[in-house]
Amino acid sequence: ETGVTQTPRHLVMGMTNKKSLKCEQHLGHNAMYWYKQSAKKPLELMFVYNFKEQTENNSVPSRFSPECPNSSHLFLHLHTLQPEDSALYLCASSQLGRETQYFGPGTRLLVL
Amino acid sequence: EDQVTQSPEALRLQEGESSSLNCSYTVSGLRGLFWYRQDPGKGPEFLFTLYSAGEEKEKERLKATLTKKESFLHITAPKPEDSATYLCAVQPNSGGSNYKLTFGKGTLLTVNP
Repeated sequence: ETGVTQTPRHLVMGMTNKKSLKCEQHLGHNAMYWYKQSAKKPLELMFVYNFKEQTENNSVPSRFSPECPNSSHLFLHLHTLQPEDSALYLCASSQLGRETQYFGPGTRLLVL
Repeated sequence: EDQVTQSPEALRLQEGESSSLNCSYTVSGLRGLFWYRQDPGKGPEFLFTLYSAGEEKEKERLKATLTKKESFLHITAPKPEDSATYLCAVQPNSGGSNYKLTFGKGTLLTVNP
């Protein structure tokens, strides 16, 4: 595997379900990010982790819960989501001190 | 607050018809301006980083330029495979938040054969 990978690529869940999104980066980076991309809207930064420590929570509802067990893995735990949470969820990584963020392919989430 | 406005929202070109995409920005000190390409259902793919006014970067048929208020992505003799959404983002040079990217909504480019 190379770059940034995300699983699953597609997810359909009910409003009462609990699911998790997984991201793994193979670039040796030490910062990881979750973004939300909705139709007709710019990418929205959700969470930032530097060296496994959360440094940013961009006013994200508590039904989204991130976890970063190490510098290579990032999870987004989902519970009691709303239909308006349907979107493309993107993971990215970067090397602190270097600005460029590299993105994974995303998870397309549909909440019914 | 950092802001990025991209225009046009959509652009349709014939193969070989050169054009430019615009990215206007306001930021509290620019650390970097980024261009990404995004294909449907995929994540953004990094193209360029520009750091200071007057800087230019090229890659195949793409050339990015930067001024103090805007950036242009020039596409020379485009091919159908250049069809994608092109995203612009800025990163501020402000203390502990200098990793933050503020994105525009993108320009959807369609190149017809």
